[in-house]
Amino acid sequence: QKEVEQDPGPLSVPEGAIVSLNCTYSNSAFQYFMWYRQYSRKGPELLMYTYSSGNKEDGRFTAQVDKSSKYISLFIRDSQPSDSATYLCAMSAGQAGTALIFGKGTTLSVSS
Amino acid sequence: NAGVTQTPKFQVLKTGQSMTLQCAQDMNHNSMYWYRQDPGMGLRLIYYSASEGTTDKGEVPNGYNVSRLNKREFSLRLESAAPSQTSVYFCASSGIRGFEQYFGPGTRLTVT
Repeated sequence: QKEVEQDPGPLSVPEGAIVSLNCTYSNSAFQYFMWYRQYSRKGPELLMYTYSSGNKEDGRFTAQVDKSSKYISLFIRDSQPSDSATYLCAMSAGQAGTALIFGKGTTLSVSS
Repeated sequence: NAGVTQTPKFQVLKTGQSMTLQCAQDMNHNSMYWYRQDPGMGLRLIYYSASEGTTDKGEVPNGYNVSRLNKREFSLRLESAAPSQTSVYFCASSGIRGFEQYFGPGTRLTVT
């Protein structure tokens, strides 16, 4: 079993839809949970992060972490064509100088 | 402020040839990383350097060597390229918030 599992999709939704992206993990030591967004032929960029359990909201994006279930989610409200990208979850046990473990990424396409 | 830069952007090698991928960052970050990204496999860590003078193996280090030349620069060397090393290579760096990694634009390498 990989440390981080993520359904690669692809996921296609109409503009305005609510999108739910998910990852599961097996390592209880993970404390930092991140979502990176990667546009085609570009490097990933950090979208949101959460420390330990709980929810975090940033505009149309909400990140949730349930450590008891080892499950994290990213919700996108009112999805836009500009949200079309690959979303990668990533996790880390520590902070500075610690390697991240990435999921395989979910490719999202939002049609207008 | 260029962020993370990588050279070259594209490269084609024949099996057995060697090459060095260069990476530099101008954000005064302590930590630097090399990843490879393959279809269906996500981002996998090859090597990382938590601070100047140190390097550690990641998930897929075989066939690669690295050099942390100074605080700004971190190079990845393929001594004898193999077709299995055909991939997109990303360099990244991070500061105190290690989970916030900044990625370069990537190098697309094909080994024939």
